[in-house]
Amino acid sequence: NAGVTQTPKFQVLKTGQSMTLQCAQDMNHNSMYWYRQDPGMGLRLIYYSASEGTTDKGEVPNGYNVSRLNKREFSLRLESAAPSQTSVYFCASSTGPVTEAFFGQGTRLTVV
Amino acid sequence: KNQVEQSPQSLIILEGKNCTLQCNYTVSPFSNLRWYKQDTGRGPVSLTIMTFSENTKSNGRYTATLDADTKQSSLHITASQLSDSASYICVVSPYYGNNRLAFGKGNQVVVIP
Repeated sequence: NAGVTQTPKFQVLKTGQSMTLQCAQDMNHNSMYWYRQDPGMGLRLIYYSASEGTTDKGEVPNGYNVSRLNKREFSLRLESAAPSQTSVYFCASSTGPVTEAFFGQGTRLTVV
Repeated sequence: KNQVEQSPQSLIILEGKNCTLQCNYTVSPFSNLRWYKQDTGRGPVSLTIMTFSENTKSNGRYTATLDADTKQSSLHITASQLSDSASYICVVSPYYGNNRLAFGKGNQVVVIP
């Protein structure tokens, strides 16, 4: 049982480049989330999807877009990467809006 | 703004010893409180989840307590092992859902032989 799978695990981008972070879960969860984790800070919510077909902004959405492709997959896109987006990105999923969240292994992104 | 404060920020303990991590929160209204373990380079993994009415919950050598009146929680690690070296994150869920989870910065624990 894979749980939440993120790809890639590591990525280096040049300023202005674009890329998409992929996330897939095999637990039949309805809700999915994208977080970023920076040194000395708690995880911060970028975007979330309460259910298939819906997406909403979180605490720090600027510079990002998301797509809930189907129930399993939730992608995060950086259209024009900036050094401030250097971070570790985590995807998570949960059965519903108040149930336990399960996290992926993370994507370490560096923007130079 | 909802806040979660954890202490100590970091600690070093000898293998086999016990330790207690603290979490104070101001989230209101409150649904549940969670403790996660995050190994270096990995994603957070759930240890315990407690609702408003629960005072204590155990998961092996990990025991979490909750005092909803004082808005305090603790995570006690018994007979620590080298594999307990990790960051322990306190997460408070408000009544209205996971999209408003409040994350602490974590307690960094290093267990030495």
